[in-house]
Amino acid sequence: QVQLQESGPGLVKPSQTLSLTCSVSGDSISSGSYYWSWIRQPAGKGLEWIGRVYTSGRIHYNPSLKSRVTISIDTSKNQFFLQVYSVTAADTAVYYCARSPSGDYQLPRFDPWGQGTLVTVSS
Amino acid sequence: DIQMTQSPSSLSASVGDRVTITCRASQTISNYLNWYQQKPGKAPKVLIYGTSSLQSGVPSRFSGSGSGTEFTLTISSLQPEDFATYYCQQSDINPLTFGGGTKVEIK
Repeated sequence: QVQLQESGPGLVKPSQTLSLTCSVSGDSISSGSYYWSWIRQPAGKGLEWIGRVYTSGRIHYNPSLKSRVTISIDTSKNQFFLQVYSVTAADTAVYYCARSPSGDYQLPRFDPWGQGTLVTVSS
Repeated sequence: DIQMTQSPSSLSASVGDRVTITCRASQTISNYLNWYQQKPGKAPKVLIYGTSSLQSGVPSRFSGSGSGTEFTLTISSLQPEDFATYYCQQSDINPLTFGGGTKVEIK
């Protein structure tokens, strides 16, 4: 059973870079046809998709964040990563990583999700 | 971006009630419409994918339907463990987007 786990600093100063890692266990990140996403949720608010990476290296970003975000993948470590640059208080949120099928005959949906990690932007 | 609008934003219901939540897309989407349940402090969990397919392990009282721009999630008989927030999400067109959520509370 595949499990995802986010890790990274819980506190980031304004204007600095937020860096998170999603570690995948239970299966190879390269097996099957999947994409791997980052999603965030400010306290008491809804969900915002940040972007996704395919094991092929193809990446899609949400245009609302594209200029400040980099997503990458390291298949040898079974991990993928998120960097958000020049953060402000508006980037304070719980950040989730999640997997979705991407094959031709598969219906995409986020499953499973990591447990989420709270990142607070504050000086 | 495709805007996903859920209604109602919250509702109060009793155990045993039939509950319907609606999700409207700002433009026609394929059947790549998913529903998630989220409980406080937990990650969302997929209930329905591809508009009407029940995720493995999810009770059959949950069902989904719809097409085009209007989709619904129905809980046929609300159980105590179903009190949560529900989100729709489209996986058809980038950027992937979620509805604002529907909080189901105990009456």
